[in-house]
Amino acid sequence: AQSVAQPEDQVNVAEGNPLTVKCTYSVSGNPYLFWYVQYPNRGLQFLLKYITGDNLVKGSYGFEAEFNKSQTSFHLKKPSALVSDSALYFCAVRGYNQGGKLIFGQGTELSVKP
Amino acid sequence: EADIYQTPRYLVIGTGKKITLECSQTMGHDKMYWYQQDPGMELHLIHYSYGVNSTEKGDLSSESTVSRIRTEHFPLTLESARPSHTSQYLCASSVGENIQYFGAGTRLSVL
Repeated sequence: AQSVAQPEDQVNVAEGNPLTVKCTYSVSGNPYLFWYVQYPNRGLQFLLKYITGDNLVKGSYGFEAEFNKSQTSFHLKKPSALVSDSALYFCAVRGYNQGGKLIFGQGTELSVKP
Repeated sequence: EADIYQTPRYLVIGTGKKITLECSQTMGHDKMYWYQQDPGMELHLIHYSYGVNSTEKGDLSSESTVSRIRTEHFPLTLESARPSHTSQYLCASSVGENIQYFGAGTRLSVL
């Protein structure tokens, strides 16, 4: 069965410090991996995706993610956090022969304090 | 921002009422999806469509129904709303198997 796990319900960082939001996955075949962000009372916004190629993927708002096949992980990172990055972050995976359907993780609340 | 629109944004309604949540996209995407999300929680796929006259149930069982008569329109209907239907409903669309773009959501409260 396909699944996504975000082991941390909440991540707290100080503004200016690097941040990491963790994601691990289980899927048949090569994974298609995505990160989305959700601000309060809003829908999800696409941040970045990994399909194939370079393991380090760069996305919107200075975020990047590193695909690690051996550890089945796709952690989201940013070198210097901003207070405005505070939001709910979702990792999602699509496996082989799943059409466009995504499996979402349970979400990680990121809080960046001044 | 993606061109996908959901109305209403907020709906408070009494038990037993019939409701329809609207979702429209102007991007010509073939695939559309409905998710249910409790506040701050994960998303659960309840319906999806791969094109006109194509609808399938998602991973989470739902008493709602959907239709896809036109490419751009994917409404969700509850024939008789109950308090257990209180949640946020998110609509999304994608072209092929690519990125899903989300609407702002409808927050439904059934009294």
